Amino acid sequence: KAGVTQTPRYLIKTRGQQVTLSCSPISGHRSVSWYQQTPGQGLQFLFEYFSETQRNKGNFPGRFSGRQFSNSRSEMNVSTLELGDSALYLCASSYIRENRDRVYEQYFGPGTRLTVT
Amino acid sequence: AQRVTQPEKLLSVFKGAPVELKCNYSYSGSPELFWYVQYSRQRLQLLLRHISRESIKGFTADLNKGETSFHLKKPFAQEEDSAMYYCALSGWFSGGYNKLIFGAGTRLAVHP
Repeated sequence: KAGVTQTPRYLIKTRGQQVTLSCSPISGHRSVSWYQQTPGQGLQFLFEYFSETQRNKGNFPGRFSGRQFSNSRSEMNVSTLELGDSALYLCASSYIRENRDRVYEQYFGPGTRLTVT
Repeated sequence: AQRVTQPEKLLSVFKGAPVELKCNYSYSGSPELFWYVQYSRQRLQLLLRHISRESIKGFTADLNKGETSFHLKKPFAQEEDSAMYYCALSGWFSGGYNKLIFGAGTRLAVHP
């Protein structure tokens, strides 16, 4: 199976702009999670989507949002960019059953490196 | 609150030496623990999880609920083990399972 893909791989934006990142999960995976990775804060959970619904959310401001489409592809959006939003944004997908009875392995994409100037 | 602590930022060893990467967690519920590895210029990938009790690439990790630890061990380090290692915790957080809380990571450098 093809792995998790993320586009674009690199992005440079200016403060105040907004940005949309895209993630295509592994075929058959219905759960998509997003993480932010920075040198200072490490890997931090942003949110998770399952069947087009946000099920879990991390401690990030409302400028960070996301959505999931019926084909399980997901996008995340950051509005009014700040310098501190510069980071590697990782997407992970996992197979999951409806009853959510256990933790499933997450498969990570290569990430989108966002630089805010 | 849930937390994962990896006390060492860098662990430097010689080839053939034993390796132990430390991980402690804080969680009052039933935890699931993972070790993820990131080799140079590669994506983050799962190395092992406590529930499977496997040995992957010679690495093992045992969940010690009494000490709330999940240390990663390998008896004889190889140069190809050089990478960034992350310990991660999951459980029933905020109504969902699929949230990983990562430690800060430990860089393992194996010298010839």
